[in-house]
Amino acid sequence: SQTIHQWPATLVQPVGSPLSLECTVEGTSNPNLYWYRQAAGRGLQLLFYSVGIGQISSEVPQNLSASRPQDRQFILSSKKLLLSDSGFYLCAWRRQLNTEAFFGQGTRLTVV
Amino acid sequence: QKEVEQNSGPLSVPEGAIASLNCTYSDRGSQSFFWYRQYSGKSPELIMFIYSNGDKEDGRFTAQLNKASQYVSLLIRDSQPSDSATYLCAVSGTASKLTFGTGTRLQVTL
Repeated sequence: SQTIHQWPATLVQPVGSPLSLECTVEGTSNPNLYWYRQAAGRGLQLLFYSVGIGQISSEVPQNLSASRPQDRQFILSSKKLLLSDSGFYLCAWRRQLNTEAFFGQGTRLTVV
Repeated sequence: QKEVEQNSGPLSVPEGAIASLNCTYSDRGSQSFFWYRQYSGKSPELIMFIYSNGDKEDGRFTAQLNKASQYVSLLIRDSQPSDSATYLCAVSGTASKLTFGTGTRLQVTL
């Protein structure tokens, strides 16, 4: 069966510090991978998605970036965090176009 | 115009009643449609998906799709307090993008 791992579960970071969130998927190959952010009481904002190694589509440039160094690994990064980067970050995968997506447990990031 | 729109609610229904949740989307090329449930502080979990016009039933849940009107809905019959959550509509098109609405908060009252 397929599983998705996302860590850490919670993170408190000072303004201006770097960020690295990692997501890995097990039990499948060549998944579509997604990073979403959810501000408190708000919907899911698509940040990045990837259909293959090294292929990243950006929806919200801002000060975030994403990388996919391996088939089942998706990393979200920032060089300098802003207060507005606080939120619930969710990684998701799906098998192929137009199938359902499955989410990791999320990372709650608080920038102070 | 937002790509996927939902009424934020809260939608309040008494226990045992039918809850009706609605979603509209802007991309006429959209091909697949999903409903997720999200409890506070948790990640979304899939309830149903629908690809074709018409109704699709799964237990107490019915998804309805009307591509001509660019409208998708979710009916929850015999609503239970445990159904109280935020319901997210998601739409996928010809690209690999999967876009979510802002969600509708449902409250089932005793």
